[in-house]
Formats: sequence, C-alpha cells, structure tokens
Amino acid sequence: DTGVSQNPRHKITKRGQNVTFRCDPISEHNRLYWYRQTLGQGPEFLTYFQNEAQLEKSRLLSDRFSAERPKGSFSTLEIQRTEQGDSAMYLCASSLAGGVSRYNSPLHFGNGTRLTVT
Amino acid sequence: GENVEQHPSTLSVQEGDSAVIKCTYSDSASNYFPWYKQELGKRPQLIIDIRSNVGEKKDQRIAVTLNKTAKHFSLHITETQPEDSAVYFCAASRRGATNKLIFGTGTLLAVQP
Repeated sequence: DTGVSQNPRHKITKRGQNVTFRCDPISEHNRLYWYRQTLGQGPEFLTYFQNEAQLEKSRLLSDRFSAERPKGSFSTLEIQRTEQGDSAMYLCASSLAGGVSRYNSPLHFGNGTRLTVT
Repeated sequence: GENVEQHPSTLSVQEGDSAVIKCTYSDSASNYFPWYKQELGKRPQLIIDIRSNVGEKKDQRIAVTLNKTAKHFSLHITETQPEDSAVYFCAASRRGATNKLIFGTGTLLAVQP
C-alpha cells in the first residue's frame, strides 16, 4: 500500500499524559497536513508542512500541541497534558505542491489515529 | 473567515434514485472544490473535484456543478446503489502557499435497497 500511513490506529490514554502520533505520507508528496475530526463533523485543519517547514498553524492548535517533520518525510504530532476534549480522530494528509499551476492538487488522507482520553 | 456550509445533514433515498448534496462557500478566492466520501471508521476518499475554470464535471454516476457567482457547488449521484451509503464532505481551498481545505459538516447518505 503506497498511501498515507498513520500509527497507531487507536490510542487510549489517561488525562494528563502525553501522546505522539506518526504519519508517513505518500513518498513523492512534499506537502503534509494534520486535521482533527470529531464525531459528526468535517475534518478541521490543524497544521501544514511544505517539506520540513511548518508554514501554517490553526488557532485550534494550542501550545500543548506540537508537530514536526524533521527531514521532510514522516511527521509526528505530539499532544502534551492531554485533556478529554482532545478525544478525536487525528487525520494526516499529503499532496504534491503544484508548480506553476493556479490550482491546488488533491489531498490524500490516511486512516487516522483515534485518540480517546479517559 | 473561511466557511463552508453543507446541506442536508442527512439524506435517505431509494436505490436507483438520485441524490443531491449542496454546499456554499464564503471565500470568494476559493478555486478548488473536492468531494470526499467517508465510510464508517475509514479515511476520507476523494471521489471527484472541480476547479473554478469549469462549471461542471462528470465521472460515471457522479457529477459536480459549480456556480461561482452564487458561491455554490453541488454533488449529484445518479442511479444510487447501497454501496453509495456513507458520509460525504464537500471542501474548498484557495490558490496560495498552502493547500488548506475547509470542509463542510458532512451529509450522511443512506441508500435504501
């Protein structure tokens, strides 16, 4: 499977603990995104990387959240001091930056990591 | 701010009937409009997309229309089948440094056999 891969698929943690998720994008994709999805809602943008540079962060991303993409390939999303409100599906997506195209290229999503904070 | 509204939130149709889902976007600079299908517990999967330089695009039983003046776009599924049952999300993005998609709240489509 050459799609976007996320690990773990499920994570149950106690409130106050730290968690880290990993995303491996499609290999030739230089853009990587993290989204959060709660039940009955559409995915909400969290942050975006082009290669190793984090170029945009949502206001939703509190200082307890940090994301990295150290070598421009895989990415990690860490949540410190988890709260029950952090329970959600965390989706990673990747795409290829268009060159001179006026238009953006499609995002390809992974299966997500479902976080449950008890 | 950027916003995408989607209607209806739930839609039930009989097998073989057509289904239409409508979205409205607020950012007039939006120029790319994908539709994703998400089955329970699975990833959102791109089913069709449209760019602002065309008004309609069709792929077999699925079509999308775009009205830039009204800032509306719609998904049309003809000859629905039970396997079309899923949650459908519309999204919009603007040309720029990121490819950030703003998603609608989703439509749960149920196709009754």
